[in-house]
Amino acid sequence: GAVVSQHPSWVICKSGTSVKIECRSLDFQATTMFWYRQFPKQSLMLMATSNEGSKATYEQGVEKDKFLINHASLTLSTLTVTSAHPEDSSFYICSAPDGLIIGYGYTFGSGTRLTVV
Amino acid sequence: KQEVTQIPAALSVPEGENLVLNCSFTDSAIYNLQWFRQDPGKGLTSLLLIQSSQREQTSGRLNASLDKSSGRSTLYIAASQPGDSATYLCAAQDNYGQNFVFGPGTRLSVLP
Repeated sequence: GAVVSQHPSWVICKSGTSVKIECRSLDFQATTMFWYRQFPKQSLMLMATSNEGSKATYEQGVEKDKFLINHASLTLSTLTVTSAHPEDSSFYICSAPDGLIIGYGYTFGSGTRLTVV
Repeated sequence: KQEVTQIPAALSVPEGENLVLNCSFTDSAIYNLQWFRQDPGKGLTSLLLIQSSQREQTSGRLNASLDKSSGRSTLYIAASQPGDSATYLCAAQDNYGQNFVFGPGTRLSVLP
């Protein structure tokens, strides 16, 4: 089956530093990747949609200069949290349409737990 | 704007019980409705996907129903087991078949 590999699984960083999260489709091409975040006891919320070779589309309220998304190839999308602050601590997860079921199949990464201290 | 809610927020049952998790969505123009399982600190596992034209889907001890007109879906778990303990999320996929709108989840504990 389709697999999206997400790294790191968890990361602790100091306030003010930047953190990069990678999502890689292992056995299919992902022209689109969705990035979600989940604060404790809240729903997963869509942050942005990345498209290979073009600029990402951000949801309302998500700072595009803070959450940099790069989708430079058909198998890799990255989310960089710049100048991280404790309020950015969250669970980040990516998802890509895997094409296994046309229009329906989506594969999720295993998620990244970010803690900013 | 689509909103998805889930009831109950948490549920604790003894092993062997049958149980029902509820999901409601405000916009009936959905592409499909999907149920996921999320284990602590981990990603999502897709359990069942109900296409907008379908009424229910079954997989093993799981059965999910969909009533688009009333904006409701239920997940039925038969003969619950401790290994079923997890957070269950429902998500409505928009009519373009792309974005998922997730509910807050139901945290299930099945006690041995």
